[in-house]
Amino acid sequence: QSVLTQPSSASGAPGQRVTISCSGSSSNIEENGVNWYQQVPGTAPKLLIYNSDLRPSGVPDRFSGSKSGTSASLAISGLQSEDEADYYCAAFDDTLNGHVLFGGGTKLTVL
Amino acid sequence: QVTLKESGPVLVRPTETLTLTCMVAGFSLRNKRMGVSWIRQPPGKALEWLGHIFSDDEKSYNMSLKSRVTISKDTSKNRIFLTLTNVDPRDTGTYYCGRIPPKQLLVDNWGQGSLVIVSS
Repeated sequence: QSVLTQPSSASGAPGQRVTISCSGSSSNIEENGVNWYQQVPGTAPKLLIYNSDLRPSGVPDRFSGSKSGTSASLAISGLQSEDEADYYCAAFDDTLNGHVLFGGGTKLTVL
Repeated sequence: QVTLKESGPVLVRPTETLTLTCMVAGFSLRNKRMGVSWIRQPPGKALEWLGHIFSDDEKSYNMSLKSRVTISKDTSKNRIFLTLTNVDPRDTGTYYCGRIPPKQLLVDNWGQGSLVIVSS
């Protein structure tokens, strides 16, 4: 079974730029793109980036996404204390009848 | 305004069947290719997709659950149901439902979550 791989943790000081990676395969990220979710502890996840690089309305442009082949990245610039949260990548996988995969999550700490 | 709200028992005994309900508002399950997904999260762990159902009744399930999971809907009452049979403590966690908009492969709106504890 395919999996999406993320670093377990990331950190940065206020104002800095942080990047979180998500590694997959040709049957998920490369074929279908990736979505990113932000989850503040104790709350439901929130859609942050969809179709690899699009932002829903209301999401600050400090958040950006990109994809290259079987990998994707989430970048957060001008880091703020309120960005401290868990971040998950997700993608549909074509090999498993529409199965959705989530990455293991990255805990972002704002120093 | 799109809203989803999960409801169901907090405590379930091992081997029992868990049934959760997702009440939706602000969109119709009759809309072409509108869908709802169920996702869970064990305490302190990552999100896990359980399955989804579309307006045309197409369904897809996480095969790792080995046929224990069933998703159904009552379109007239704007409700989606998750049934998980033969639960054990590893099924403990927060269960979320989320909307899948037409022609998109994502969940754009989430419910607040429903905590389920499996314990004797």
